[in-house]
Amino acid sequence: QSVLTQPPSASGTPGQRVTISCSGSRSNIGSNTVNWYQQLPGTAPILLIYTNNQRPSRVPDRFSGSKSGASASLAISGLQSEDEADYYCATWDDSLDGWVFGGGTKLTVL
Amino acid sequence: EVELLESGGGLVQPGGSLRLSCTASGFTFGSYAMTWVRQAPGKGLEWVSSISDSGVSTYNADSVKGRFTISRDNSKNRLYLEMNSLRGDDTAVYYCAKARGLVWYAMDVWGQGTTVTVSS
Repeated sequence: QSVLTQPPSASGTPGQRVTISCSGSRSNIGSNTVNWYQQLPGTAPILLIYTNNQRPSRVPDRFSGSKSGASASLAISGLQSEDEADYYCATWDDSLDGWVFGGGTKLTVL
Repeated sequence: EVELLESGGGLVQPGGSLRLSCTASGFTFGSYAMTWVRQAPGKGLEWVSSISDSGVSTYNADSVKGRFTISRDNSKNRLYLEMNSLRGDDTAVYYCAKARGLVWYAMDVWGQGTTVTVSS
């Protein structure tokens, strides 16, 4: 069981907007910034969002992140078929003194 | 180009040992913290160990404490994971990842992974 809670699955049709939630606690999301990773099938994860809402230059602005209290969310607008992947949230946990990940959300583009 | 290349994975018997390496290129290795993350077959990402830029500070998940040791050689641009007393639940793809700065900063570059299989 993961320290951070994500829905196991999400779906949307091309062009739609989808959000993925990530719930934690005071010692992790409540105290530190949140990062999001995208993992396409059979490949290594890549950084999608860092410091709650910052995008690496190569990431399209269709992807956005937010954080409030001990929860965070990833939004994907203008959904495309190539967005079909697993998405993970992650943050540092001050109590565990280490990284914690969400269980991952499998996004399906219908 | 910033790149990380893991090696050293393979098949090992329960109770055995293995040493993973991660060779970095394209950035000043000694200026960034590094982390190992693993992914069991069909499962999610699990943090294993992290090390500060100098190597002075290390952090380990409870599941590997006392069995795994993370280290680095900044003169060789290499990160290591020494794994002892391996168990079946250590079977996974092991990724090394570079932090954007300190240990608790986002992991912005990942290697392609190396597979460790623990089985008799």
